[in-house]
Amino acid sequence: DTGVSQDPRHKITKRGQNVTFRCDPISEHNRLYWYRQTLGQGPEFLTYFQNEAQLEKSRLLSDRFSAERPKGSFSTLEIQRTEQGDSAMYLCASSWDNYEQYFGPGTRLTVT
Amino acid sequence: AQSVTQPDIHITVSEGASLELRCNYSYGATPYLFWYVQSPGQGLQLLLKYFSGDTLVQGIKGFEAEFKRSQSSFNLRKPSVHWSDAAEYFCAVGANQAGTALIFGKGTTLSVSS
Repeated sequence: DTGVSQDPRHKITKRGQNVTFRCDPISEHNRLYWYRQTLGQGPEFLTYFQNEAQLEKSRLLSDRFSAERPKGSFSTLEIQRTEQGDSAMYLCASSWDNYEQYFGPGTRLTVT
Repeated sequence: AQSVTQPDIHITVSEGASLELRCNYSYGATPYLFWYVQSPGQGLQLLLKYFSGDTLVQGIKGFEAEFKRSQSSFNLRKPSVHWSDAAEYFCAVGANQAGTALIFGKGTTLSVSS
């Protein structure tokens, strides 16, 4: 068990570009979560999957954001037409049918 | 509204001294409570959790936390701090069911002085 992995670890992009992040959860975990963390703040929930179904989305997840988990394994988070306010750490977490969420190392996005 | 408050933004403790990080929550139902630690540029590591039962819970790295329902608090403690404990600590609350979002506090940064 290698834990939750995220790729890339760092991404620098220009405003207006699209970016996509990947998250690979712990292999037996059926639940997957995305959070966003800005400087000086705790993580804020974005969206949640149980297997391949997206069951919950935060109001923080604007129309420019889309997340998928096509086969119930890895997940992608895409941000279209990035804005400087999108600069943040994007964290992925996974869990089994319990309450403990295990976090990945995050993807640091910088929008210039 | 559901929320978590960590009143201390930054705490400095001498190495070997005891530590207490405060956490207060507001939650309508029976909460599940967590403490996570985050080192610079890293993800979050679960230190300990409280679901039910004994209100004093033990975690990894010598940490413990006490749930006090009457005070809506879940403070984190460690009897003797090591320099490697310097990090950011987050308290979080969730619903008592799997698959729900965690609500995090803004965190407390711990510095350890020699």
